[in-house]
Amino acid sequence: AQSVTQLGSHVSVSEGALVLLRCNYSSSVPPYLFWYVQYPNQGLQLLLKYTSAATLVKGINGFEAEFKKSETSFHLTKPSAHMSDAAEYFCAVISAGNQFYFGTGTSLTVIP
Amino acid sequence: SQTIHQWPATLVQPVGSPLSLECTVEGTSNPNLYWYRQAAGRGLQLLFYSVGIGQISSEVPQNLSASRPQDRQFILSSKKLLLSDSGFYLCAWSVQGLEPQHFGDGTRLSIL
Repeated sequence: AQSVTQLGSHVSVSEGALVLLRCNYSSSVPPYLFWYVQYPNQGLQLLLKYTSAATLVKGINGFEAEFKKSETSFHLTKPSAHMSDAAEYFCAVISAGNQFYFGTGTSLTVIP
Repeated sequence: SQTIHQWPATLVQPVGSPLSLECTVEGTSNPNLYWYRQAAGRGLQLLFYSVGIGQISSEVPQNLSASRPQDRQFILSSKKLLLSDSGFYLCAWSVQGLEPQHFGDGTRLSIL
């Protein structure tokens, strides 16, 4: 069965610092991977998706993620954190059977 | 473009009362539809999904039910709410295939 693991339920960074949110997947076949962002009291918004094309995927709001098959990882990064980046972030994988699996989420705090 | 509408945004209900949350999608046909619940500070729990009219799959046994009376309408119901039904309810849709899910703005349900 496919799954994703998000390491670190809470991450704090200073404004202007690098953001790194970790996601590892378990899959027996090349997966389709996604990152979502959720602001308080809102639904999830798609940040970016990996669909087996380029391994470095650029998303909205300056975020990007790199697919590393050797590490079974799809970590989300942003070079410089902004206060508006404070939110909950979810990694997700979709299986060949079209089943969606979400990680448990990482809460990002940005310290001014 | 496709849009998803979910209402109401907030709801306060007494224990034992009925529930009906509605979700509609515009701009697409035959979408997959999903209901999730998100407890405070926790991840997403898939409650129901539907691949077509009248086709409902339940992921967890519970006090809730779902129906899909029309192609782009998904309803979450309960005959008698429990305190444990409190949470943030999210509706989502996707096209068939290996595509991301798109979420509504959610309903905050509080049971008193």
